[in-house]
Amino acid sequence: SQTIHQWPATLVQPVGSPLSLECTVEGTSNPNLYWYRQAAGRGLQLLFYSVGIGQISSEVPQNLSASRPQDRQFILSSKKLLLSDSGFYLCAWSGGLDTQYFGPGTRLTVL
Amino acid sequence: AQRVTQPEKLLSVFKGAPVELKCNYSYSGSPELFWYVQYSRQRLQLLLRHISRESIKGFTADLNKGETSFHLKKPFAQEEDSAMYYCALSEDGNNRLAFGKGNQVVVIP
Repeated sequence: SQTIHQWPATLVQPVGSPLSLECTVEGTSNPNLYWYRQAAGRGLQLLFYSVGIGQISSEVPQNLSASRPQDRQFILSSKKLLLSDSGFYLCAWSGGLDTQYFGPGTRLTVL
Repeated sequence: AQRVTQPEKLLSVFKGAPVELKCNYSYSGSPELFWYVQYSRQRLQLLLRHISRESIKGFTADLNKGETSFHLKKPFAQEEDSAMYYCALSEDGNNRLAFGKGNQVVVIP
């Protein structure tokens, strides 16, 4: 069966520090991969999605970037965190035009 | 611009009472609508999607294109229905989901 992992589960980082959040999927190949963020008092916002290795689409301009170095690995990064980057980050996968399956999430606090 | 609107942030209902979560969307094409749910200490998961036209855990939702709504309903709420509910929209089936802000549902025993 397919599973999706995210780490770390929680992270506290100072302003200006770099960020790397990792998401991996098991049990499927060539999934669509997504990064969402939920900021306080707001809904889930799609940040990036990927339909294949090296193919990244950005939904909103921001301080973050995403990469997909392997088929089932999706990384969310930042060179310098801002206070506004705090939030709950969710990774999801889907098998094409199908239901999205979400990971457990990473709670990021930027101080 | 907000494409999916869920007006009530918090909804408290007594066990056995009906529950309705409102969802309105803004899209002129052929949308695909979903309801996702997150129970306490669990992952966000799909509850139902409009193309399936099925009832899940007693919940139903009907897509009303005239009113651009996809309200979620259950005639008799149960305690295990307490959760966060998100309405989501996929435009023309591209599988990029736009979520509403969510509704926190609390079912009072």
